[in-house]
Amino acid sequence: AQTVTQSQPEMSVQEAETVTLSCTYDTSESDYYLFWYKQPPSRQMILVIRQEAYKQQNATENRFSVNFQKAAKSFSLKISDSQLGDAAMYFCAYRSAQGAQKLVFGQGTRLTINP
Amino acid sequence: NAGVTQTPKFQVLKTGQSMTLQCAQDMNHNSMYWYRQDPGMGLRLIYYSASEGTTDKGEVPNGYNVSRLNKREFSLRLESAAPSQTSVYFCASSVQGRPGNTIYFGEGSWLTVV
Repeated sequence: AQTVTQSQPEMSVQEAETVTLSCTYDTSESDYYLFWYKQPPSRQMILVIRQEAYKQQNATENRFSVNFQKAAKSFSLKISDSQLGDAAMYFCAYRSAQGAQKLVFGQGTRLTINP
Repeated sequence: NAGVTQTPKFQVLKTGQSMTLQCAQDMNHNSMYWYRQDPGMGLRLIYYSASEGTTDKGEVPNGYNVSRLNKREFSLRLESAAPSQTSVYFCASSVQGRPGNTIYFGEGSWLTVV
């Protein structure tokens, strides 16, 4: 079974600076997708960014980018120019391209933005 | 734009009581999921339904049952609630066969078992 590990329970960053959230995963599959979800206090799950495993190019969405290292099974999220609205729980998630295509989540990282 | 709708949003149950969480999506998705989120943890899959008429166990199915009533609706039932089932429950849906597509989540149902 696939597992996702986020080793940083909490992170903090100064407003306007850059922060990187770590994520590692374990799988024997070669075709899969990785996601970062943001969960603000409202508990809404918001998709931040996705990465297809067969694409070597790292995904980017405005101030959010990833560093995808397939061989190392690492998938970190970089937030540039941090804003107060970025404060939330961030979850890394894995989804197989085969079978039931379930989404498997990490434990989450709570990000605090200091003004 | 309703998306994924869950009811109720809040519920307090006594130990041993039963209840059903309702979920409906209006995006014509084939796959639907039920997750639970405990404090300080990520979401864990309880049950899922890859298509209408099929259901399968996820990571934490004990104490729950599900029904895929039709393509739109997927309900989660607690037959005899226990304090360990106090959690936030999320329903989600997606298009089956396209794993890169977004999984859409409901707003969550807060359940407390006393």
